[in-house]
Amino acid sequence: AQRVTQPEKLLSVFKGAPVELKCNYSYSGSPELFWYVQYSRQRLQLLLRHISRESIKGFTADLNKGETSFHLKKPFAQEEDSAMYYCALGDDKIIFGKGTRLHILP
Amino acid sequence: ETGVTQSPTHLIKTRGQQVTLRCSSQSGHNTVSWYQQALGQGPQFIFQYYREEENGRGNFPPRFSGLQFPNYSSELNVNALELDDSALYLCASSLLANGATEAFFGQGTRLTVV
Repeated sequence: AQRVTQPEKLLSVFKGAPVELKCNYSYSGSPELFWYVQYSRQRLQLLLRHISRESIKGFTADLNKGETSFHLKKPFAQEEDSAMYYCALGDDKIIFGKGTRLHILP
Repeated sequence: ETGVTQSPTHLIKTRGQQVTLRCSSQSGHNTVSWYQQALGQGPQFIFQYYREEENGRGNFPPRFSGLQFPNYSSELNVNALELDDSALYLCASSLLANGATEAFFGQGTRLTVV
């Protein structure tokens, strides 16, 4: 069964500290993985996808098929990074994890 | 601005009633997916429509039904509303080609069942 697990409901990090949001998935085949973000009072939007291998707003995520993980990382947190982050797995539909609220402390 | 619009933005219904939520897709997209997001949870996949046909369904009962129109706009209908149906309902449009593509979300419809 397809499943996305985000073990942390809330992650508090000091400004300037590194950030790592964990995501593990269950999927038979080659998955397509995404990170979506929802800032306060804004709609859900795509942050990055693994096939593009981009860095968006300083965030990167590497797909580790051996560990079935797709953790989201940023070396230096900024206050504007505070938001809800959802890891998602897609084939022809997108399955979301429950989300992690990232709170950047000043 | 992503171009996906949902109406209404807020709605209050009584248990047992029926509700219709509407979604206008982004131009050029042929696929619409609907999600239910309960408070404190991630979006849960309800179903997807591709070229006016249902193309996958999540773990939701048959009283959740949908339609996609030739202009790719969509409706989500829920019959016999229950208190647990209170949630934010999200519509997302995408262009289904080979594999998953970026989904663009609407702002959602907040449904409250009393």
